Amino acid sequence: GESVGLHLPTLSVQEGDNSIINCAYSNSASDYFIWYKQESGKGPQFIIDIRSNMDKRQGQRVTVLLNKTVKHLSLQIAATQPGDSAVYFCAETYGGYQKVTFGTGTKLQVIP
Amino acid sequence: DTEVTQTPKHLVMGMTNKKSLKCEQHMGHRAMYWYKQKAKKPPELMFVYSYEKLSINESVPSRFSPECPNSSLLNLHLHALQPEDSALYLCASSQGLAGGANTEAFFGQGTRLTVV
Repeated sequence: GESVGLHLPTLSVQEGDNSIINCAYSNSASDYFIWYKQESGKGPQFIIDIRSNMDKRQGQRVTVLLNKTVKHLSLQIAATQPGDSAVYFCAETYGGYQKVTFGTGTKLQVIP
Repeated sequence: DTEVTQTPKHLVMGMTNKKSLKCEQHMGHRAMYWYKQKAKKPPELMFVYSYEKLSINESVPSRFSPECPNSSLLNLHLHALQPEDSALYLCASSQGLAGGANTEAFFGQGTRLTVV
């Protein structure tokens, strides 16, 4: 399943399928991007990050893709599991500056 | 220890009360943050402390007063709040290397504040 970010805040996927969560960031000067996962009643949890000198980074079951030309970030989750159900936020910052701006978030629902 | 600990977890206060939220980390991080999060919204930055000095205040009303007593502790003093200030208040910390590359922030579980 694939979200269209701001226009589709909820993404439902079958357990075992791959998920793609999209994010359009706002500042062309942003040079550091982070994906956070927030479960109900908890604080955001770091998933993966990427710097602007890269276009792809892989972690365990997750991949982040960065397209600076169109200011687009995506998070791919392989073999989605029920424990992946949460709200996912992209976040951006720039120049070592500590002001981090969060995107609006996408809720991922995994259907068993 | 990769935890940011916030207390209390829940707080109900009247509009005339004075209360404080507390945050603690022992990761040696030198940047600490307060965020406010309303339901179904992303966290919004309120304050940043860098090396125990206030470096960013996002035009937050003076009824919210941050304090950083030392590099491990961050407080948020609350006074004369309004019902619309009810939200989840999140504390975070990061390495905060001055002039260096950013690193990810670690968040606490938050304090769920209700103003009545």
